Amino acid sequence: NAGVTQTPKFQVLKTGQSMTLQCAQDMNHEYMSWYRQDPGMGLRLIHYSVGAGITDQGEVPNGYNVSRSTTEDFPLRLLSAAPSQTSVYFCATGQGFGQPQHFGDGTRLSIL
Amino acid sequence: GENVEQHPSTLSVQEGDSAVIKCTYSDSASNYFPWYKQELGKGPQLIIDIRSNVGEKKDQRIAVTLNKTAKHFSLHITETQPEDSAVYFCAASRGGQLTFGSGTQLTVLP
Repeated sequence: NAGVTQTPKFQVLKTGQSMTLQCAQDMNHEYMSWYRQDPGMGLRLIHYSVGAGITDQGEVPNGYNVSRSTTEDFPLRLLSAAPSQTSVYFCATGQGFGQPQHFGDGTRLSIL
Repeated sequence: GENVEQHPSTLSVQEGDSAVIKCTYSDSASNYFPWYKQELGKGPQLIIDIRSNVGEKKDQRIAVTLNKTAKHFSLHITETQPEDSAVYFCAASRGGQLTFGSGTQLTVLP
C-alpha cells in the first residue's frame, strides 16, 4: 500500500519549459489537492478535485492546470515555467471535505 | 478568504517540558481544524484534528483546544521528546479549502 506517490522527487527546469508533476493514490479517495510550500508561508492550495472530472481553483491557481480523469491520478501541469514557481509541491488526498488529508513526500522544483 | 495566523514561528523547550503552539483564524464558518507535523524532506503528517462542535481533544501526549468565540485553537504537547522536533502547522477548513498557518519550528533540547 503506497498511499500517495509523487513523481519526480526533484526537477530543474528552464524558464518557459513545460512540465507535469504526477500524483497517484491507492486509497480510493475522492478528494485530491495540490499545494505549494514556500519558506515562511506554510502551504498554499493551488487546485483541488472532489472526484473524477471535477476540479476547482484554490488560493494560487495562476500558471497551473489540472485535470482528473481517474480517481487515482491528479497531475499538475506547468505550461510555461517561471522562476516564481520554484517551490516544493505537495499532493494530498482525503475522503472528502473536512476529512484528514494524506500528503505525499513532495516534488522539489527549481526553475532557472 | 480564510486567514490563519500561527505563533510562535520558533520554539525551543527542554526535554520533558510542555510546548504550546497557538493559531487564530478569521472565518467563523470554518469547522475543521487539523494539526500537521512535518519532518525534514517529508510531507506533512496529520497528528490530531478537532471539529467545531468539540472544545478539546486528546491523544496521549498531544491535545488540541478550540475556542470558537475567540476564533483560536492551540496544540499542546506534554513530556516532549527529541523526536518531537519538527515543523508543526495548524490549518482551518471551510468546504473544500484547507488554509494553513505559516508553521512553528519546534526544537526539543536534550
